[in-house]
Amino acid sequence: KNQVEQSPQSLIILEGKNCTLQCNYTVSPFSNLRWYKQDTGRGPVSLTIMTFSENTKSNGRYTATLDADTKQSSLHITASQLSDSASYICVVSAGWDFQKLVFGTGTRLLVSP
Amino acid sequence: EAGVTQFPSHSVIEKGQTVTLRCDPISGHDNLYWYRRVMGKEIKFLLHFVKESKQDESGMPNNRFLAERTGGTYSTLKVQPAELEDSGVYFCASSQGSWGIKGGSPLHFGNGTRLTVT
Repeated sequence: KNQVEQSPQSLIILEGKNCTLQCNYTVSPFSNLRWYKQDTGRGPVSLTIMTFSENTKSNGRYTATLDADTKQSSLHITASQLSDSASYICVVSAGWDFQKLVFGTGTRLLVSP
Repeated sequence: EAGVTQFPSHSVIEKGQTVTLRCDPISGHDNLYWYRRVMGKEIKFLLHFVKESKQDESGMPNNRFLAERTGGTYSTLKVQPAELEDSGVYFCASSQGSWGIKGGSPLHFGNGTRLTVT
């Protein structure tokens, strides 16, 4: 069964600190892995997309890594800001079409002043 | 450019009633998707339109759900009659292409409709 598991479920950090969110997946065939940021009451917004051959992708203070051998990904947030408070969702695609996206349940991050 | 808009943002209905959710995709986007997130669970695919045609409705939970996209513009998702387990957040998303990278286009989500069935 295709699954995406994320940890931790929730996390509280102080403003300015770094944090790393984890994603493990059992999705086959693997096409690409995405990290989305979802603010409360809003839809998910794409942060990064990585294919099998990419092991690092950055978007500003967000850096995603991918280890396709161990089927693990991480999202590292540097110098956190209050606006980083959101849910971060790991999404793995089992194909090229958007209907094949397998979503994780997300990590809820709270950045405290 | 206006994003994907969904209406209403919230809906509270009683079991057995009917509710219709609306999605306006980004102008020019042929591909429109519906997803759903039930409380505590992950977001899951419901169905995919290409213009006015249903390309894939394998995620639709049962025949109480009916989606339409007349004229290939906005889409509606009707739940009739609603059951308690239908509660959740319904997301609509659109894209130009049906695939995300390497020549494709990104997937843009709306803010969702939170449906509560009591």
